[in-house]
Amino acid sequence: NAGVMQNPRHLVRRRGQEARLRCSPMKGHSHVYWYRQLPEEGLKFMVYLQKENIIDESGMPKERFSAEFPKEGPSILRIQQVVRGDSAAYFCASSRLAGEAYNEQFFGPGTRLTVL
Amino acid sequence: AQTVTQSQPEMSVQEAETVTLSCTYDTSESDYYLFWYKQPPSRQMILVIRQEAYKQQNATENRFSVNFQKAAKSFSLKISDSQLGDAAMYFCAYRTYNNAGNMLTFGGGTRLMVKP
Repeated sequence: NAGVMQNPRHLVRRRGQEARLRCSPMKGHSHVYWYRQLPEEGLKFMVYLQKENIIDESGMPKERFSAEFPKEGPSILRIQQVVRGDSAAYFCASSRLAGEAYNEQFFGPGTRLTVL
Repeated sequence: AQTVTQSQPEMSVQEAETVTLSCTYDTSESDYYLFWYKQPPSRQMILVIRQEAYKQQNATENRFSVNFQKAAKSFSLKISDSQLGDAAMYFCAYRTYNNAGNMLTFGGGTRLMVKP
């Protein structure tokens, strides 16, 4: 059973460009979480999605950032008009269906975004 | 909102010795989960150990154990017989118990160095 897949692993963008980060959850997982890790800091929650639904986006910046998890295909975190402050590692995690008291989140290897 | 604090930015331990990493948290909830994650240089997030707040018994996983003090809102990690492969960033994390709020709240991390 493959783990959580993220691509690309490294992404370089110039200021003003768009960044698209992809996350394929583990097989059988329908919940996806995105976290951002700035240098020398802990991970910060951004958004929680289920298939075709955003459940909680309380950690997402109000502008330029969006996320989706379509019925088919990976979850996408999209950052428009990137700025240098967006440079960070972006981690995706997935878990199984809700209804269980404990849903372990399995993390992907992360995408390191560098904005020049 | 919940907060997680790790007051030790860096810790050092001699190989084969024991080290304790500290974590405190703030919450008004009575039921929740606490976790310790390891992040080696590869940046992959690895779950080390978890604790359910309703359990009085401290969790143990081989050389890793926790000291969970619910009243003091303290959750420290003890690593016994430290090995060179234990060198990494360690993050303490909190998760609410109910299924609607699945996001993890992380502390700022402690960098553990292991001396041969």
